Amino acid sequence: GAVVSQHPSRVICKSGTSVKIECRSLDFQATTMFWYRQFPKKSLMLMATSNEGSKATYEQGVEKDKFLINHASLTLSTLTVTSAHPEDSSFYICSAWEGGGADTQYFGPGTRLTVL
Amino acid sequence: GENVEQHPSTLSVQEGDSAVIKCTYSDSASNYFPWYKQELGKRPQLIIDIRSNVGEKKDQRIAVTLNKTAKHFSLHITETQPEDSAVYFCAASSGNEKLTFGTGTRLTIIP
Repeated sequence: GAVVSQHPSRVICKSGTSVKIECRSLDFQATTMFWYRQFPKKSLMLMATSNEGSKATYEQGVEKDKFLINHASLTLSTLTVTSAHPEDSSFYICSAWEGGGADTQYFGPGTRLTVL
Repeated sequence: GENVEQHPSTLSVQEGDSAVIKCTYSDSASNYFPWYKQELGKRPQLIIDIRSNVGEKKDQRIAVTLNKTAKHFSLHITETQPEDSAVYFCAASSGNEKLTFGTGTRLTIIP
């Protein structure tokens, strides 16, 4: 199957700092990338949908100025958590979709963010 | 928007027995229903999926059934093994590839 990487896998930062997470599709071009957030023992909650070369579409309740998403190429999307606070601590997972007739989203391994 | 409900939230099954997890969805436009397996701290892994023009799909010990009229779909795992222990998520999509996930089922296989 297709491979999606995510970096870093784990990050610890101080309150008030910004953290950038990268999501890459390694062996296919992703028309669309999705960013999810997952709290412990909870389901995946979609934060935003990112299409290459256009602005991300954010889900209701997700602050677009706090969670900056850039999808600069068909293989790379980034999520920047700005001015992070302890309540932003979570597991962030991206997925990539090839588009066209493809159904399947392929998930990255996730990034565990801990804000002190 | 779409709402996906999943039951049960936890399920313990004796090794070798079958496990069934059920999901319901609300949006009649949904036409793609994947199932994911997630181990602790890992990424969700697609284990099987079904489109709305099919009522049942099977892959070895795993099968999925879909009832469009009732808007529910189920995952069936037969001859369960300890490595089947994980959290399972159902999801639904209406063709724009935006997935709405169920709340998850923690499956424990008892040796």
